[in-house]
Amino acid sequence: KNQVEQSPQSLIILEGKNCTLQCNYTVSPFSNLRWYKQDTGRGPVSLTIMTFSENTKSNGRYTATLDADTKQSSLHITASQLSDSASYICVVTPNAGGTSYGKLTFGQGTILTVHP
Amino acid sequence: DAGVIQSPRHEVTEMGQEVTLRCKPISGHNSLFWYRQTMMRGLELLIYFNNNVPIDDSGMPEDRFSAKMPNASFSTLKIQPSEPRDSAVYFCASSDGTDNTEAFFGQGTRLTVV
Repeated sequence: KNQVEQSPQSLIILEGKNCTLQCNYTVSPFSNLRWYKQDTGRGPVSLTIMTFSENTKSNGRYTATLDADTKQSSLHITASQLSDSASYICVVTPNAGGTSYGKLTFGQGTILTVHP
Repeated sequence: DAGVIQSPRHEVTEMGQEVTLRCKPISGHNSLFWYRQTMMRGLELLIYFNNNVPIDDSGMPEDRFSAKMPNASFSTLKIQPSEPRDSAVYFCASSDGTDNTEAFFGQGTRLTVV
């Protein structure tokens, strides 16, 4: 069982609408949880990073939340644009004691398509 | 800084040939990661280095894969001999090694083994 599970696998929305992507994880303890955006044919780009003590982080129209008790995170996209069409990947950094050297545990991603 | 630079962007090779992928991390970063991405398995960590030293290579699929980091500004991932199932996009990423900082990814190398 993957330690980081995302839902839905894919999502289609109309331009201007809001949407929320979900991430459930079992990695414990962890140092931080990140959301990445990956455009087709490009490398992932970081959107937000939250430590276990944070419960929300915003980056423009992107807002990530974290509930460390239920081990859930969400990424909310407001007023979607065509350029938001991409894969969104939830990533957890385990805390292996001391530094984990940034070893990341990836979800499978949610493919978002924004239609005009 | 130009970011993490990978080369080549695309590689097509015949089964059995040796393939070498290259990566230049962001200057000043002391951690470097090699990932493989496929539709079926998503992103998988192959190996990571800290201060040029391999820390964990448990993700390397088999002995056909090897990685080196001879200095702080260069790393290679080699597959010898290559097989069709090695076809994937290979990403290199770097960070400053602390847990709560970003890892920056290169554009990836799309490898096709025919």
